[in-house]
Amino acid sequence: GPKVLQIPSHQIIDMGQMVTLNCDPVSNHLYFYWYKQILGQQMEFLVNFYNGKVMEKSKLFKDQFSVERPDGSYFTLKIQPTALEDSAVYFCASSVTGDEQYFGPGTRLTVL
Amino acid sequence: GDSVTQTEGQVALSEEDFLTIHCNYSASGYPALFWYVQYPGEGPQFLFRASRDKEKGSSRGFEATYDKGTTSFHLRKASVQESDSAVYYCALDNTGANTGKLTFGHGTILRVHP
Repeated sequence: GPKVLQIPSHQIIDMGQMVTLNCDPVSNHLYFYWYKQILGQQMEFLVNFYNGKVMEKSKLFKDQFSVERPDGSYFTLKIQPTALEDSAVYFCASSVTGDEQYFGPGTRLTVL
Repeated sequence: GDSVTQTEGQVALSEEDFLTIHCNYSASGYPALFWYVQYPGEGPQFLFRASRDKEKGSSRGFEATYDKGTTSFHLRKASVQESDSAVYYCALDNTGANTGKLTFGHGTILRVHP
């Protein structure tokens, strides 16, 4: 079936650095999402994105976070600067209609 | 705010056993309810959804019925296989516009022994 890819699979960075997580969504999908899952906790919605704009963001989506999809390429999540509490697995998802979501395998971010 | 509660953190069964994973939700209005399954090393995969009371969703032998009265959407399968071993997530979307803002439960780890 359709696949969402996430690059890299694992990223280790020092606190205060910038990180960009990349998502290659399914080609004809129009809705894009980021979710965050801290080890042992449930997956939590961060943000959704449609037609080049953020539709909704949760309280977890701090000012240090930003998303974009320049020229229909990767859908990215940038964190600048990073903090220790940003350590988590970040899942990207995409959808045609905003209903059934296709998830990538996740990027494990470790902030030291 | 909205929430999803999965009673079982882990379930261990033998092949051909009957499976029930309990899911209860708390939300205002009329949320859409979902089940997702996650295999090791992969992201969650959509199983099925239901969006109105008494509606049954089903896929791959799994099924769940939307029960607004008990605010539940329990996952069932009559005869599990070892290949069903995975993490199962119940989720809801209460935006009313299907924007895909999912609220997930904690997940239930299913282990099926041959």
